[in-house]
Amino acid sequence: DQQVKQNSPSLSVQEGRISILNCDYTNSMFDYFLWYKKYPAEGPTFLISISSIKDKNEDGRFTVFLNKSAKHLSLHIVPSQPGDSAVYFCAASAHGGNQFYFGTGTSLTVIP
Amino acid sequence: NAGVTQTPKFQVLKTGQSMTLQCAQDMNHNSMYWYRQDPGMGLRLIYYSASEGTTDKGEVPNGYNVSRLNKREFSLRLESAAPSQTSVYFCASTMSLGETQYFGPGTRLLVL
Repeated sequence: DQQVKQNSPSLSVQEGRISILNCDYTNSMFDYFLWYKKYPAEGPTFLISISSIKDKNEDGRFTVFLNKSAKHLSLHIVPSQPGDSAVYFCAASAHGGNQFYFGTGTSLTVIP
Repeated sequence: NAGVTQTPKFQVLKTGQSMTLQCAQDMNHNSMYWYRQDPGMGLRLIYYSASEGTTDKGEVPNGYNVSRLNKREFSLRLESAAPSQTSVYFCASTMSLGETQYFGPGTRLLVL
C-alpha cells in the first residue's frame, strides 16, 4: 500500500507562471519530508526538505508547504523555468526511521 | 569528488543469469541504500546498510542479496535474474539514517 501518493502523473505550466506539485501521505508518524528532482537517465537530486515542526520552507524559487492535519505537502516553483522540466518525487520518513518512502512522481513540463 | 557512482550503466541478462551491481561513494557517508524504480511505482527500497558491516532488508528484498564491502562500496547481487527484476536500480548514500540521500545515476537492467 502506497504511503506517499502523488496523484498527478503530469503537469504542464507556462514559463514564468507558478508550478504547484502536490503530495499526500497516510502515515501520521512521518515527520520529515523531501522533494527530489529527476532528469531522464540521471539519479534523483535533492531539492528541498521540511520538518514537521515547520509549515513552510523556502529556498530561492522553491517553497514547500506542509499541512499536517491534512497530511498534505506541496512544492511551489515561482517563476517556473524551462530547465525545471523534470520528474519530481516527494519522500517521507518517520523520526528514527530507517527509510524514506517515495511517491510515484509528477512529470513537470514548463512550456517556453 | 564523484559523489555516488554505479556500474554498469546498462545490462541485459537472460532469465536465470546472475550479476552484481556495483556502487561506490566518496563522501565518507556511513549509510548506503539500493532502490528500484518501476513505472507507476516510485522508488522502492530493496536493502540498506546503516553502517559498515551491517545490512537490512527494505520493502522489496526478495531475489536480491547485498554486500557492504567497506565504507565506500555497497553491491547488489541478483543470483538468478527474473523478468520481474527488469527495472532501473539506484544506489544512494547519506551520512546517517534518516538524513537527505544522495543518489547515483542508476543502472538500467533488462531481464529477458
